Amino acid sequence: AQSVTQLDSHVSVSEGTPVLLRCNYSSSYSPSLFWYVQHPNKGLQLLLKYTSAATLVKGINGFEAEFKKSETSFHLTKPSAHMSDAAEYFCAPSNFGNEKLTFGTGTRLTIIP
Amino acid sequence: DARVTQTPRHKVTEMGQEVTMRCQPILGHNTVFWYRQTMMQGLELLAYFRNRAPLDDSGMPKDRFSAEMPDATLATLKIQPSEPRDSAVYFCASGHTQRLLSYEQYFGPGTRLTVT
Repeated sequence: AQSVTQLDSHVSVSEGTPVLLRCNYSSSYSPSLFWYVQHPNKGLQLLLKYTSAATLVKGINGFEAEFKKSETSFHLTKPSAHMSDAAEYFCAPSNFGNEKLTFGTGTRLTIIP
Repeated sequence: DARVTQTPRHKVTEMGQEVTMRCQPILGHNTVFWYRQTMMQGLELLAYFRNRAPLDDSGMPKDRFSAEMPDATLATLKIQPSEPRDSAVYFCASGHTQRLLSYEQYFGPGTRLTVT
């Protein structure tokens, strides 16, 4: 069975500084991996996805993530935080051949002006 | 810009009443998922369909919840009778699965349910 750990429940960074949101997964099979963002009172929006192509994946709004199989990690990064990045971020792996996503508990990102 | 739509966006009801939530998936998508989000439990998968057939409803309380897809453009989630512990935001998501390749899910805006 697939499981996921988002290592930080809350991350605070200053505007203009780098963002790092951590995600580790466990899987017996090659996973697909997704990051979603949820702004207050909104649905989840897909940020980026990894599906066994390039290990460095670029997404919307300047975010990117690197798939590291040896570390079973898929951390989300952004070089320079913007106030509009304040939201909840969810990492979600799935196994190849399985449509279901396993969502992490989320990381709340706060941007300090 | 194709998107998943959900109605109603907000629902306040009294305990014991029936609640029906509706979802219109993105045209051409063949999988539909129902999730529930609460502060305590986070995001939980309740049920999902592929090509309108229910594949997994193990996350759903069977005695009071039911999920159906009357046609390819409509999915429904019904609670009867509703209880205060059902208060949550219910999300519908749709996706397209072909030959068992995993694809991303697209989420609707959610239905915020309050049961008093």
